Amino acid sequence: AQSVSQHNHHVILSEAASLELGCNYSYGGTVNLFWYVQYPGQHLQLLLKYFSGDPLVKGIKGFEAEFIKSKFSFNLRKPSVQWSDTAEYFCAVSLTSGTYKYIFGTGTRLKVLA
Amino acid sequence: DAGVIQSPRHEVTEMGQEVTLRCKPISGHDYLFWYRQTMMRGLELLIYFNNNVPIDDSGMPEDRFSAKMPNASFSTLKIQPSEPRDSAVYFCASSYPRGSGEQYFGPGTRLTVT
Repeated sequence: AQSVSQHNHHVILSEAASLELGCNYSYGGTVNLFWYVQYPGQHLQLLLKYFSGDPLVKGIKGFEAEFIKSKFSFNLRKPSVQWSDTAEYFCAVSLTSGTYKYIFGTGTRLKVLA
Repeated sequence: DAGVIQSPRHEVTEMGQEVTLRCKPISGHDYLFWYRQTMMRGLELLIYFNNNVPIDDSGMPEDRFSAKMPNASFSTLKIQPSEPRDSAVYFCASSYPRGSGEQYFGPGTRLTVT
């Protein structure tokens, strides 16, 4: 069965530190990849997405992610985090054929200390 | 566009009562998804519809849960009878998948069953 793994469940950083959140998926076919953010008490919002083309994707708020097909990975990065980035981050995969449903990772809670 | 609309935003009910959650997807979107989010289990897909037809309800926890989509602009998720373990945030999302399948999430309904 397809699955998505986010290895870091909780991350605590100081402001201006660099961030990298891991995401790996298990599926041999073609996928679309997403990162969503959920600020405290709010709904999920799309940070960035990858369908095809340049494997380095830039999203909102200075976030970027790199798709490495050989590693089945789609890691999220930000060079310098801010206190306002405190949130939960979800990686999601959708298959490009058959179904459009997401397979979500378990999420990573990021806390940025001011 | 107003985005995905959910009502009510908060619901507190007693065990055994019927609960109905409502969702209005973004106009023109032909996929609709219902999710449940809890601390213990994370984000779970309950059911999704395509063109008002249920496609996959394998995530519905038990017969107490039912979902309908009578038309393209309205869906309900019903729990009857409700139990304390149903307490969670329920999200609705919609998508227009030609090309990407990106999902747009509603603000959620926080359900508390006492």
